[in-house]
Amino acid sequence: DAGVIQSPRHEVTEMGQEVTLRCKPISGHDYLFWYRQTMMRGLELLIYFNNNVPIDDSGMPEDRFSAKMPNASFSTLKIQPSEPRDSAVYFCASSDRKSSYEQYFGPGTRLTVT
Amino acid sequence: QQQVKQSPQSLIVQKGGISIINCAYENTAFDYFPWYQQFPGKGPALLIAIRPDVSEKKEGRFTISFNKSAKQFSLHIMDSQPGDSATYFCAASIGNDYKLSFGAGTTVTVRA
Repeated sequence: DAGVIQSPRHEVTEMGQEVTLRCKPISGHDYLFWYRQTMMRGLELLIYFNNNVPIDDSGMPEDRFSAKMPNASFSTLKIQPSEPRDSAVYFCASSDRKSSYEQYFGPGTRLTVT
Repeated sequence: QQQVKQSPQSLIVQKGGISIINCAYENTAFDYFPWYQQFPGKGPALLIAIRPDVSEKKEGRFTISFNKSAKQFSLHIMDSQPGDSATYFCAASIGNDYKLSFGAGTTVTVRA
């Protein structure tokens, strides 16, 4: 298996622009997580899905952030409009709860908002 | 606020030495304690995990020690190697709740 795939790997955008981050989880995994990593706040869980349904979005910082999972093999995290404080590395992770608690992380998307 | 407090923020150890990272928690409902390892430019990866019904778990050179009464757990890296240089995160979660609460991370540098 190729593991969790994220795109793009790097994104540089200007303040006010819309940003869309993409994730393909490991095939067969029924949980998908979006995390944000910064030096100041560490690793933060933003939202997670089970069988494509959002379960907990309490970590989403504000209404500018939204996430969707239209099918079992694809999820997006959108920021509209983006702000410089959104600059971070965004990770997607997936898991198969039936077999283990392990979360498999993707390589991340480094977002820079200028 | 972070539910899992991790220390130290960074440490440097000589090759062959022992690296020790400590974590503490308050929520006694936590029942799963994993450690994740992250190399620069990569996502975190599960290293080792423990449940509160055991006091120690060892996998190769990595050992978790768990003290339920003190609400503390630690990671020991024995015979540290340069390839162990990475950031290590402790985490905790509650049984049916899949959310992981991560510590702030410890950057370990192993000098050859």
